[in-house]
This record gives sequence, C-alpha cells and structure tokens, in this order.
Amino acid sequence: DSGVTQTPKHLITATGQRVTLRCSPRSGDLSVYWYQQSLDQGLQFLIQYYNGEERAKGNILERFSAQQFPDLHSELNLSSLELGDSALYFCASSVDTLWAGANVLTFGAGSRLTVL
Amino acid sequence: GNSVTQMEGPVTLSEEAFLTINCTYTATGYPSLFWYVQYPGEGLQLLLKATKADDKGSNKGFEATYRKETTSFHLEKGSVQVSDSAVYFCALSEVIQGAQKLVFGQGTRLTINP
Repeated sequence: DSGVTQTPKHLITATGQRVTLRCSPRSGDLSVYWYQQSLDQGLQFLIQYYNGEERAKGNILERFSAQQFPDLHSELNLSSLELGDSALYFCASSVDTLWAGANVLTFGAGSRLTVL
Repeated sequence: GNSVTQMEGPVTLSEEAFLTINCTYTATGYPSLFWYVQYPGEGLQLLLKATKADDKGSNKGFEATYRKETTSFHLEKGSVQVSDSAVYFCALSEVIQGAQKLVFGQGTRLTINP
C-alpha cells in the first residue's frame, strides 16, 4: 500500500456521461498530481494541485476539471465522456520540496475508466 | 519541450540473464532522472533516481547512471528474477514556473521466464 488511495478502482459508463474520480494523498503530502495512462498516449500529465491551489496544467481537456479540497483530497471530474477517454487515471502525491529539484511522486493504484 | 525515449518492448529474458533497458532524454537544463516500475494491477513505484550528472541510482539490484554527455539513463540489472516482470518507465523531472512535472517515456514491458 503506497498510502495514496484512489476510488473507484473500476468504472464503466456510457458516452456523454460525467464521472468523478477521487484521490486521498499520502499523509503529509501537500501536492496532488493527476496522470492519464492509455495504450496509445502512454502516461500523460494532466494537472497538479498544491495545498488547494492549481499549480501546473498539462494535457488536460476542457471537458475535464479537478480540484483539491482543504483536507487535501482531490477530485478529477470528467464530463461529456467519449470512447477515447477510456484509460487508467492515476493520482500521485508528493511533499513538494521544489527547491530540492527531485520531488519523488508516490502513485495510487489507479482508477480504470471504461466508456462504452 | 522535454522528452524521454525508451527502448521499445516487450522484452523477454530468462531468469538470471543480464538486463539493459535503454533510456535517452531531451531537456533544457539539468533535470533529475527517475526509473519507475509498475507491477501488474498496481500503480507506479519509484525504483531509483539520480539528481545530477554522473550520479548512480541503485535499488533492488537495479542501477542507472546519469550520463550528461550521452543524455542517457540506462537501467541495468546483472541477474533478473521472475519477480522483476513488470513495466518500467524512465522519467525526467522538469520545473516550469515553480511547478514540477514528471515527463515519462512510453514504458518497457519486461517478462522474465523461469
């Protein structure tokens, strides 16, 4: 157990629907990152939050949004789902010591989304 | 932008064979470099890291050396075990406007046969 908890583990839904993925970071970690893993695109960085504020954005679609709450858990909202959104979505957390230059990310087990 | 290129898989070896998984990177500046491993059904786990040129990261018998001159960070293990079967990801860390981001390679699937 990495200490990063993601729910749900599996989710099957239909095109056009909306889903929410949840992540609880490891205790003491202030940063949360979301990554999408698909067969054709590999691991793509979506977005990062630090202590409740958005810090960095990657290849995140406008149909997707995220937030980090005061208790530091984060949610990734995916709307108007398309077949191509089927993927494994990972959350990772870190202490976020940027000055050290080598922040280690701890990953959750992922949420597998299937869009039919 | 920064990128990581890994040796394409899948790679299949026999137990006790020598392993090399090639990784090269393109980056401005001097990023930190990482190898992450993903076992079946699990998330990624940090295997080893190196933060500056000529650093050697090592863990569980795996090693990788940060080579600035060849922009490489190849993963090696002298004698692999069946339990090493997993997907291996090379990654670099870039900091843009105060935010850190990991850029991953495509991953290399390794299968070790007894």
